[in-house]
Amino acid sequence: DTEVTQTPKHLVMGMTNKKSLKCEQHMGHRAMYWYKQKAKKPPELMFVYSYEKLSINESVPSRFSPECPNSSLLNLHLHALQPEDSALYLCASSRGGLVLSGNTIYFGEGSWLTVV
Amino acid sequence: KQEVTQIPAALSVPEGENLVLNCSFTDSAIYNLQWFRQDPGKGLTSLLLIQSSQREQTSGRLNASLDKSSGRSTLYIAASQPGDSATYLCANAYSGAGSYQLTFGKGTKLSVIP
Repeated sequence: DTEVTQTPKHLVMGMTNKKSLKCEQHMGHRAMYWYKQKAKKPPELMFVYSYEKLSINESVPSRFSPECPNSSLLNLHLHALQPEDSALYLCASSRGGLVLSGNTIYFGEGSWLTVV
Repeated sequence: KQEVTQIPAALSVPEGENLVLNCSFTDSAIYNLQWFRQDPGKGLTSLLLIQSSQREQTSGRLNASLDKSSGRSTLYIAASQPGDSATYLCANAYSGAGSYQLTFGKGTKLSVIP
């Protein structure tokens, strides 16, 4: 199983709503990531969890709140978002930090978020 | 800070043609060079990873090379097919803070015309 599963695939939310994006992997990976991707742009790193601890926060606004309940799950809690936060949110996982042949990073299909 | 550039931004070729996608980087101390494919509205799929000590990697019709001295990597696709239509991203891949770090180029959108 080399899948990273993200739910929901599509989400429309108002600026006062609270919602969550979920990500799950069963590859035994200990590093998990959230990326944000706007149209025609490359993905931008938001957060990294390493061994269930937040190791990188790329100065993301506090209206985005990540959570890693266990080694297989990663959530992104959303609150008071702005229309400009509308984007594709990608989750990814890797065995660890080493870049080696046979040890790569796996991306999910993404969650399309529209803020109205 | 490492910058990764991909030219052209878009490319359209007839089916069956061989093609080359280019990736350049500013710092010759690149760690590893990774090529990804992204279909519209989908996630990224890793195609090839060239580690810093290597010069090329091959997978099926794909061949990627890395020339650190010139700051370039190329992805060669042989006998292109309509199913190859996608956006191709190259990235500098390195280890940092216990995680797999990526610095992406902006991508080349490839269209293979039947």
